Amino acid sequence: GESVGLHLPTLSVQEGDNSIINCAYSNSASDYFIWYKQESGKGPQFIIDIRSNMDKRQGQRVTVLLNKTVKHLSLQIAATQPGDSAVYFCAGVDPNTGNQFYFGTGTSLTVIP
Amino acid sequence: NAGVTQTPKFRVLKTGQSMTLLCAQDMNHEYMYWYRQDPGMGLRLIHYSVGEGTTAKGEVPDGYNVSRLKKQNFLLGLESAAPSQTSVYFCASSYLGVETQYFGPGTRLLVL
Repeated sequence: GESVGLHLPTLSVQEGDNSIINCAYSNSASDYFIWYKQESGKGPQFIIDIRSNMDKRQGQRVTVLLNKTVKHLSLQIAATQPGDSAVYFCAGVDPNTGNQFYFGTGTSLTVIP
Repeated sequence: NAGVTQTPKFRVLKTGQSMTLLCAQDMNHEYMYWYRQDPGMGLRLIHYSVGEGTTAKGEVPDGYNVSRLKKQNFLLGLESAAPSQTSVYFCASSYLGVETQYFGPGTRLLVL
Protein backbone atom coordinates (compact mmCIF):
# COMPACT_ATOMS: atom_id res chain seq x y z
CA GLY A 1 0.00 0.00 0.00
CA GLU A 2 0.91 3.64 -0.10
CA SER A 3 2.99 5.07 2.69
CA VAL A 4 4.43 8.16 4.24
CA GLY A 5 7.36 7.95 6.61
CA LEU A 6 8.99 10.42 8.87
CA HIS A 7 12.75 10.53 9.02
CA LEU A 8 13.21 10.86 12.75
CA PRO A 9 10.97 9.39 15.44
CA THR A 10 12.10 11.99 17.98
CA LEU A 11 13.43 15.54 17.84
CA SER A 12 14.55 17.82 20.65
CA VAL A 13 15.04 21.55 20.16
CA GLN A 14 15.76 24.52 22.37
CA GLU A 15 12.97 26.97 22.97
CA GLY A 16 13.22 29.76 20.44
CA ASP A 17 15.02 27.68 17.82
CA ASN A 18 13.45 26.61 14.56
CA SER A 19 12.27 23.01 14.14
CA ILE A 20 12.23 21.01 10.94
CA ILE A 21 10.28 17.78 10.68
CA ASN A 22 10.59 15.70 7.54
CA CYS A 23 8.34 13.27 5.74
CA ALA A 24 8.77 11.12 2.64
CA TYR A 25 5.96 9.64 0.60
CA SER A 26 5.81 6.71 -1.77
CA ASN A 27 3.42 7.64 -4.57
CA SER A 28 4.28 10.51 -6.86
CA ALA A 29 0.60 10.76 -7.82
CA SER A 30 -0.37 11.93 -4.33
CA ASP A 31 -1.49 15.52 -4.75
CA TYR A 32 -2.59 16.66 -1.32
CA PHE A 33 -0.82 16.54 2.03
CA ILE A 34 -1.67 17.56 5.56
CA TRP A 35 0.44 18.05 8.67
CA TYR A 36 -1.17 17.19 12.00
CA LYS A 37 -0.15 17.87 15.59
CA GLN A 38 -1.16 15.39 18.27
CA GLU A 39 -0.73 16.22 21.93
CA SER A 40 -0.67 13.47 24.49
CA GLY A 41 -4.10 11.98 25.06
CA LYS A 42 -5.76 14.08 22.38
CA GLY A 43 -6.86 13.68 18.81
CA PRO A 44 -4.81 14.94 15.85
CA GLN A 45 -5.17 18.62 15.13
CA PHE A 46 -4.81 20.17 11.67
CA ILE A 47 -1.79 22.43 11.27
CA ILE A 48 -1.36 23.15 7.58
CA ASP A 49 -1.95 21.56 4.21
CA ILE A 50 -0.46 21.80 0.74
CA ARG A 51 -1.50 20.72 -2.74
CA SER A 52 0.90 19.44 -5.35
CA ASN A 53 0.60 22.57 -7.48
CA MET A 54 2.49 24.44 -4.75
CA ASP A 55 6.06 24.13 -3.45
CA LYS A 56 5.59 26.12 -0.27
CA ARG A 57 2.82 27.28 1.98
CA GLN A 58 3.05 29.41 5.06
CA GLY A 59 0.87 29.67 8.12
CA GLN A 60 1.31 31.24 11.50
CA ARG A 61 4.86 30.25 12.53
CA VAL A 62 4.68 27.18 10.32
CA THR A 63 5.82 26.53 6.76
CA VAL A 64 5.38 23.41 4.69
CA LEU A 65 7.72 22.69 1.81
CA LEU A 66 6.92 20.14 -0.87
CA ASN A 67 9.60 18.66 -3.13
CA LYS A 68 7.82 16.52 -5.68
CA THR A 69 11.04 15.51 -7.40
CA VAL A 70 12.23 13.51 -4.41
CA LYS A 71 8.77 12.94 -2.90
CA HIS A 72 9.55 14.77 0.29
CA LEU A 73 7.80 17.32 2.42
CA SER A 74 8.85 19.14 5.54
CA LEU A 75 7.25 21.12 8.30
CA GLN A 76 9.16 24.08 9.67
CA ILE A 77 8.16 25.63 12.97
CA ALA A 78 9.66 29.03 13.69
CA ALA A 79 10.64 30.13 17.18
CA THR A 80 9.58 26.83 18.74
CA GLN A 81 7.71 27.15 22.03
CA PRO A 82 7.06 24.67 24.85
CA GLY A 83 3.46 24.41 23.68
CA ASP A 84 4.74 22.99 20.40
CA SER A 85 5.82 19.79 22.16
CA ALA A 86 3.73 17.04 20.58
CA VAL A 87 3.80 14.32 17.96
CA TYR A 88 3.69 15.62 14.40
CA PHE A 89 2.74 13.47 11.45
CA CYS A 90 2.06 13.95 7.81
CA ALA A 91 -0.76 12.47 5.79
CA GLY A 92 -1.09 12.12 2.04
CA VAL A 93 -4.13 11.39 -0.06
CA ASP A 94 -4.12 7.90 -1.50
CA PRO A 95 -4.34 8.43 -5.26
CA ASN A 96 -5.69 4.88 -5.67
CA THR A 97 -8.87 5.76 -3.79
CA GLY A 98 -9.01 9.53 -4.11
CA ASN A 99 -10.79 9.98 -0.81
CA GLN A 100 -8.61 8.24 1.77
CA PHE A 101 -5.40 9.27 3.47
CA TYR A 102 -2.36 7.32 4.50
CA PHE A 103 -0.59 8.52 7.62
CA GLY A 104 2.99 8.57 8.83
CA THR A 105 4.01 7.25 12.23
CA GLY A 106 4.96 10.63 13.63
CA THR A 107 7.90 12.56 15.02
CA SER A 108 7.82 13.36 18.70
CA LEU A 109 9.00 16.94 19.21
CA THR A 110 10.30 17.96 22.62
CA VAL A 111 10.99 21.62 23.29
CA ILE A 112 13.63 22.25 25.92
CA PRO A 113 12.98 25.43 27.93
CA ASN B 1 -19.67 24.11 17.92
CA ALA B 2 -18.53 20.99 19.72
CA GLY B 3 -16.81 19.70 16.58
CA VAL B 4 -16.30 15.94 16.67
CA THR B 5 -17.17 14.13 19.89
CA GLN B 6 -16.67 10.48 20.81
CA THR B 7 -18.32 8.30 23.41
CA PRO B 8 -17.04 6.66 25.57
CA LYS B 9 -13.57 8.02 26.35
CA PHE B 10 -12.32 4.76 27.80
CA ARG B 11 -13.59 1.20 27.99
CA VAL B 12 -12.39 -2.18 29.17
CA LEU B 13 -13.88 -5.26 27.57
CA LYS B 14 -13.43 -8.96 28.03
CA THR B 15 -12.70 -11.11 25.01
CA GLY B 16 -15.93 -11.94 23.21
CA GLN B 17 -17.91 -8.98 24.51
CA SER B 18 -19.49 -6.49 22.17
CA MET B 19 -19.71 -2.74 22.23
CA THR B 20 -20.51 0.29 20.11
CA LEU B 21 -18.45 3.45 19.83
CA LEU B 22 -20.36 6.59 18.99
CA CYS B 23 -19.05 9.49 16.96
CA ALA B 24 -21.00 12.70 16.50
CA GLN B 25 -20.20 15.83 14.51
CA ASP B 26 -22.06 19.12 14.34
CA MET B 27 -20.31 20.60 11.29
CA ASN B 28 -22.70 19.17 8.68
CA HIS B 29 -19.87 17.15 7.17
CA GLU B 30 -20.61 14.55 4.55
CA TYR B 31 -17.61 12.30 5.16
CA MET B 32 -16.88 10.45 8.37
CA TYR B 33 -14.09 8.03 9.22
CA TRP B 34 -13.05 5.56 11.89
CA TYR B 35 -9.34 5.01 12.50
CA ARG B 36 -7.31 3.02 14.96
CA GLN B 37 -3.97 4.15 16.29
CA ASP B 38 -1.43 1.67 17.59
CA PRO B 39 2.08 2.30 18.94
CA GLY B 40 4.69 2.63 16.21
CA MET B 41 2.10 2.74 13.46
CA GLY B 42 0.31 5.48 11.62
CA LEU B 43 -3.42 5.89 11.79
CA ARG B 44 -5.15 3.10 9.94
CA LEU B 45 -8.56 3.47 8.37
CA ILE B 46 -11.17 0.95 9.53
CA HIS B 47 -14.33 2.09 7.77
CA TYR B 48 -15.61 5.32 6.35
CA SER B 49 -18.80 6.90 5.06
CA VAL B 50 -19.32 9.37 2.23
CA GLY B 51 -22.81 10.29 3.30
CA GLU B 52 -25.86 9.33 5.31
CA GLY B 53 -26.80 5.71 4.74
CA THR B 54 -23.49 4.77 3.10
CA THR B 55 -20.46 2.92 4.46
CA ALA B 56 -17.30 1.49 2.94
CA LYS B 57 -14.36 -0.60 4.09
CA GLY B 58 -10.99 0.87 4.78
CA GLU B 59 -7.60 -0.72 5.27
CA VAL B 60 -8.40 -2.83 8.37
CA PRO B 61 -12.17 -3.54 8.47
CA ASP B 62 -12.17 -7.11 9.81
CA GLY B 63 -13.90 -7.52 13.16
CA TYR B 64 -15.70 -4.18 12.91
CA ASN B 65 -19.03 -2.99 11.59
CA VAL B 66 -20.34 0.53 11.11
CA SER B 67 -23.59 2.37 10.52
CA ARG B 68 -24.44 5.90 9.41
CA LEU B 69 -28.19 6.21 9.93
CA LYS B 70 -27.98 9.93 10.58
CA LYS B 71 -25.64 12.37 8.88
CA GLN B 72 -24.20 13.59 12.15
CA ASN B 73 -23.52 10.19 13.70
CA PHE B 74 -21.17 7.36 12.78
CA LEU B 75 -21.20 4.21 14.89
CA LEU B 76 -18.42 1.65 15.14
CA GLY B 77 -19.35 -1.79 16.44
CA LEU B 78 -17.26 -4.64 17.73
CA GLU B 79 -19.40 -7.79 17.75
CA SER B 80 -16.90 -10.06 19.51
CA ALA B 81 -13.93 -8.17 20.90
CA ALA B 82 -10.44 -9.64 20.66
CA PRO B 83 -7.22 -8.55 22.42
CA SER B 84 -5.87 -7.48 19.00
CA GLN B 85 -8.52 -4.78 19.01
CA THR B 86 -6.92 -3.06 21.97
CA SER B 87 -6.17 0.36 20.55
CA VAL B 88 -7.08 4.02 20.52
CA TYR B 89 -9.94 4.71 18.15
CA PHE B 90 -10.38 8.06 16.45
CA CYS B 91 -13.32 9.34 14.54
CA ALA B 92 -12.87 12.10 11.97
CA SER B 93 -15.08 14.05 9.61
CA SER B 94 -14.64 16.26 6.58
CA TYR B 95 -16.96 18.22 4.32
CA LEU B 96 -15.59 16.53 1.24
CA GLY B 97 -13.25 13.61 0.77
CA VAL B 98 -9.93 15.11 -0.10
CA GLU B 99 -9.61 17.88 2.40
CA THR B 100 -8.89 18.50 6.05
CA GLN B 101 -10.26 15.93 8.43
CA TYR B 102 -11.30 17.01 11.90
CA PHE B 103 -10.64 14.45 14.60
CA GLY B 104 -12.39 13.60 17.82
CA PRO B 105 -10.56 13.15 21.14
CA GLY B 106 -10.35 9.37 20.83
CA THR B 107 -11.63 6.30 22.66
CA ARG B 108 -9.15 4.10 24.47
CA LEU B 109 -10.22 0.47 24.32
CA LEU B 110 -8.60 -2.32 26.28
CA VAL B 111 -9.65 -5.89 25.51
CA LEU B 112 -8.60 -8.44 28.10
